Amino acid sequence: ELKVEQNPLFLSMQEGKNYTIYCNYSTTSDRLYWYRQDPGKSLESLFVLLSNGAVKQEGRLMASLDTKARLSTLHITAAVHDLSATYFCAVDPFFGTGTRLQVFP
Amino acid sequence: SAVISQKPSRDICQRGTSLTIQCQVDSQVTMMFWYRQQPGQSLTLIATANQGSEATYESGFVIDKFPISRPNLTFSTLTVSNMSPEDSSIYLCSVVRSGFGNEQFFGPGTRLTVL
Repeated sequence: ELKVEQNPLFLSMQEGKNYTIYCNYSTTSDRLYWYRQDPGKSLESLFVLLSNGAVKQEGRLMASLDTKARLSTLHITAAVHDLSATYFCAVDPFFGTGTRLQVFP
Repeated sequence: SAVISQKPSRDICQRGTSLTIQCQVDSQVTMMFWYRQQPGQSLTLIATANQGSEATYESGFVIDKFPISRPNLTFSTLTVSNMSPEDSSIYLCSVVRSGFGNEQFFGPGTRLTVL
């Protein structure tokens, strides 16, 4: 079974700071997803990364994929409170453990 | 995107009973999955619902406990059998739709509480 690991599990960061969430997976895959989940809500799709070297950006979030290293990153630039949520990576159809992000003033 | 509906949206059930959750998609899809998300946890894949054949279950999940039907390419059901409080969770239906970058879409979930 494919294993998908994220770190950190919990991230508390100050507004304006930068940080990166890491997603490692155990077997070859050419498709990786990032999702956001707010408390009590369903999943919101953020990015779909389909090839090695893929980089996608939306606002303050940027995701990248290195299929050779079996690693994806979600980089947060100049965090704001509205980014507080839990972020999941998924390698079709298995999910990582999630990273709970809290952004404080 | 794919439009996915689930019924019921939530339910409170007694121990030992069974609940069937329905998942309806607005168009034909090849891949359908059922997940469980326990409070504060990630999503755990229960099984892949195969059209016209038995579902493929992940480790720790068995057909007797979670029977799944998929009579066509737009509909599936998941039954949670002989429920116990440990089955309290959110159950989500998901599909992968070709032609949309193979993006995975999720239903709104069914919140189950077992007393």
